[in-house]
Amino acid sequence: GENVEQHPSTLSVQEGDSAVIKCTYSDSASNYFPWYKQELGKRPQLIIDIRSNVGEKKDQRIAVTLNKTAKHFSLHITETQPEDSAVYFCAATTFGNEKLTFGTGTRLTIIP
Amino acid sequence: EAQVTQNPRYLITVTGKKLTVTCSQNMNHEYMSWYRQDPGLGLRQIYYSMNVEVTDKGDVPEGYKVSRKEKRNFPLILESPSPNQTSLYFCASRGILGGEQYFGPGTRLTVT
Repeated sequence: GENVEQHPSTLSVQEGDSAVIKCTYSDSASNYFPWYKQELGKRPQLIIDIRSNVGEKKDQRIAVTLNKTAKHFSLHITETQPEDSAVYFCAATTFGNEKLTFGTGTRLTIIP
Repeated sequence: EAQVTQNPRYLITVTGKKLTVTCSQNMNHEYMSWYRQDPGLGLRQIYYSMNVEVTDKGDVPEGYKVSRKEKRNFPLILESPSPNQTSLYFCASRGILGGEQYFGPGTRLTVT
């Protein structure tokens, strides 16, 4: 089955700096990679996703890159703000299949 | 309002006492899933369903049962709970065209 590894487990960055979270996956059939943000005490929410037919996707300060050959994908947050503090999860699956494998999460702390 | 609801939100029970956590969505979604969240382990999928009467095992199905008799409901059943099932449980749903997976508010279960 699919295995998703996520690094780092914790990350602290100064407000205004950039943050990068990396994930690797094992199943070459996986072709859909969502990222979720979970604030303290709340449910996970989708922030961005990417399909394997593109290498990069941006949404304002958030971007995701995908390297299919190396089987890794990354979340980039630029100009970080205090409200970016949360736990971020990557995940991998095959589009149209509901079996979803998550990474173990990254706790991001933005230092004012 | 589009939403996924879970009940109960909090539950403390004893080993061996059967319990059911209900999950309901009002978005006419085909896909539904159950996850458990444990510190350091991220979100792990227990079971998922891709349509009425169609269910399949996720990564950690042992000790759990599910049913999907109606499109909107996907209850999680613990027939003989054990302390290692103490966890935070999330139900989620999304449509057949993929895209965002909507999570319920979570159920915190403690088994003593």
